[in-house]
Amino acid sequence: QVQLVQSGTEVKQPGSSVRVSCKASGGTVSSHTLSWVRQAPGQGLEWIGAIIPVLGATYFAQKFQGRVTITADESTSTAYMEMSSLRYEDTALYYCAIPITRRYCGGGTCPLGDVWGKGTTVIVSS
Amino acid sequence: SYELTQPPSVSVSPGQTARITCSGDVLAKHHAYWYQQKAGQAPLLVMYRDTERPSGIPERFSGSSSGSTVMLTITGVQAEDAADYYCQSGEGSGTSLYVFGTGTKVTVL
Repeated sequence: QVQLVQSGTEVKQPGSSVRVSCKASGGTVSSHTLSWVRQAPGQGLEWIGAIIPVLGATYFAQKFQGRVTITADESTSTAYMEMSSLRYEDTALYYCAIPITRRYCGGGTCPLGDVWGKGTTVIVSS
Repeated sequence: SYELTQPPSVSVSPGQTARITCSGDVLAKHHAYWYQQKAGQAPLLVMYRDTERPSGIPERFSGSSSGSTVMLTITGVQAEDAADYYCQSGEGSGTSLYVFGTGTKVTVL
């Protein structure tokens, strides 16, 4: 079955950029919508954006437009999320997720993910 | 509005029923999905398309929908059900592809 393996902890200074990776194994994911979600300490889940690798199409929550880039390398089944101009409040656990099971979809929508990575901690600190 | 509102917390004794609501305009037109998140773990999908349980999710979890409100019900709550629960929906395109609810902490007394 499909698994998502994320890159390790990152510590960054304010104003810098971070790139987090998410590698899929155990199946083909290029036609699925892969999302990035973050969770600040003690807070809820927040959708950042998504990519459909085979199309190269990207979607972003309005809050992150212009500051986040999402790309995918189909040859390695790896997706990347790059966030620039980091602020202290970007300190969070960043997840990738993908809706693998098609029958969970309906009415033009799917769950954000039934397969999730374990998360990557990003710490913004001076 | 493109927001999903949940009660911050629900407390229930073992064996009783926990009901978690999620309200938002987007739910009148689009399905809801529910996730369970235990401390230190990634979210787990526990309900899809408002009322359907994924494989492996216990039958005590059920969902319902009415207008702009959906509800996740846990009948016969067990200690292992203590977790944060999030609803999720979306319009399937653009900046509104996905949205999460505010989250509800379920405490088993």
